[in-house]
Amino acid sequence: GNSVTQMEGPVTLSEEAFLTINCTYTATGYPSLFWYVQYPGEGLQLLLKATKADDKGSNKGFEATYRKETTSFHLEKGSVQVSDSAVYFCALSRGGGADGLTFGKGTHLIIQP
Amino acid sequence: EAGVAQSPRYKIIEKRQSVAFWCNPISGHATLYWYQQILGQGPKLLIQFQNNGVVDDSQLPKDRFSAERLKGVDSTLKIQPAKLEDSAVYLCASSLGPGRNNEKLFFGSGTQLSVL
Repeated sequence: GNSVTQMEGPVTLSEEAFLTINCTYTATGYPSLFWYVQYPGEGLQLLLKATKADDKGSNKGFEATYRKETTSFHLEKGSVQVSDSAVYFCALSRGGGADGLTFGKGTHLIIQP
Repeated sequence: EAGVAQSPRYKIIEKRQSVAFWCNPISGHATLYWYQQILGQGPKLLIQFQNNGVVDDSQLPKDRFSAERLKGVDSTLKIQPAKLEDSAVYLCASSLGPGRNNEKLFFGSGTQLSVL
């Protein structure tokens, strides 16, 4: 079945640093790929998505490019802020005719002022 | 637009007791999910409803877990009897459905269950 592997956390960075959170996947067919974010005390929410190879999803300064050749969907941001501190989840569509998503374990990001 | 509502926010029970969680999805969303999120792990799908029918319950431990979505709106998830390993956050999510519309999920804040 489909699965997602993302880098272990916590990831601690200083404000204005460059961010990369790695995500690789295993899937049959052509899944859509997602990053969801969970801010402290809030529910998970969609950050960005890409539905086919070479697509780039972007939102709030974050970007991720669907790389089929490396089965990756790494999350990047050029200059992080304290308000970006959250848990980030990489996910993919379940595929095989099934709806919904399969999630990675999550990466806790801590931004220090 | 109101989000996905869940209650209670927290629940502490002893093992072998029973517990129930409630979810009210976003109005008009046909698909409803229950996910289990154990500390340090990503959400794991327990059950998916399309309207009031079950689409996927392959990962639901049916000897102790049950869920229903009467009238295709609200849903309840029950655990009876609870085990220590059931300690987790139980997330409810909804989406417009079906197909690609099921790729954008809206999550509630979850119910944090502690089994002692």
